[in-house]
Amino acid sequence: GESVGLHLPTLSVQEGDNSIINCAYSNSASDYFIWYKQESGKGPQFIIDIRSNMDKRQGQRVTVLLNKTVKHLSLQIAATQPGDSAVYFCAEKGEAGTALIFGKGTTLSVSS
Amino acid sequence: DSGVTQTPKHLITATGQRVTLRCSPRSGDLSVYWYQQSLDQGLQFLIQYYNGEERAKGNILERFSAQQFPDLHSELNLSSLELGDSALYFCASSRQGGSNQPQHFGDGTRLSIL
Repeated sequence: GESVGLHLPTLSVQEGDNSIINCAYSNSASDYFIWYKQESGKGPQFIIDIRSNMDKRQGQRVTVLLNKTVKHLSLQIAATQPGDSAVYFCAEKGEAGTALIFGKGTTLSVSS
Repeated sequence: DSGVTQTPKHLITATGQRVTLRCSPRSGDLSVYWYQQSLDQGLQFLIQYYNGEERAKGNILERFSAQQFPDLHSELNLSSLELGDSALYFCASSRQGGSNQPQHFGDGTRLSIL
């Protein structure tokens, strides 16, 4: 079956460091990927997305990299701040065509 | 603020009961999705509506049903509730019904079954 997984359940960094959160996906036919941030008591918040015809996409302080050869997705956060502490989920378009398939999440902890 | 509104924020009820969760999508969004988030299963897609019509179904139990009204708000009905139905239920919306666009989530309804 299809699944989206993450390499590490937790990641701890110092304020100001760059963070890299990784995700492996299994459906080679997926053509759309998205990263969400979820803070305690809140719903998933859209961060950035990328289509399979791209390798890299940049936003404000965030970059998503897509390596289709090894089915790997990563989220890079520059100059990580305490406010970045949250659970980060990657998701891919599911075989149903419209639903998102979520990974289990990586908890990012930023210490100052 | 995503613009997606869910009510109520918390719901506490007993086994065997029925509840209705409500979602108002972002202004201009035609598609509504429902997801369930539990500790052991993570975020699981339940069902999608687009402009009033059911578009896709995921892991939704037969005891659960949903609908989208002409004003585009949606309701998720959960009946014959069991302890295992305790979870966070999220609604998300997107502009169209296609999948290559971000879905924007509300802050969820926390359902507790006693």
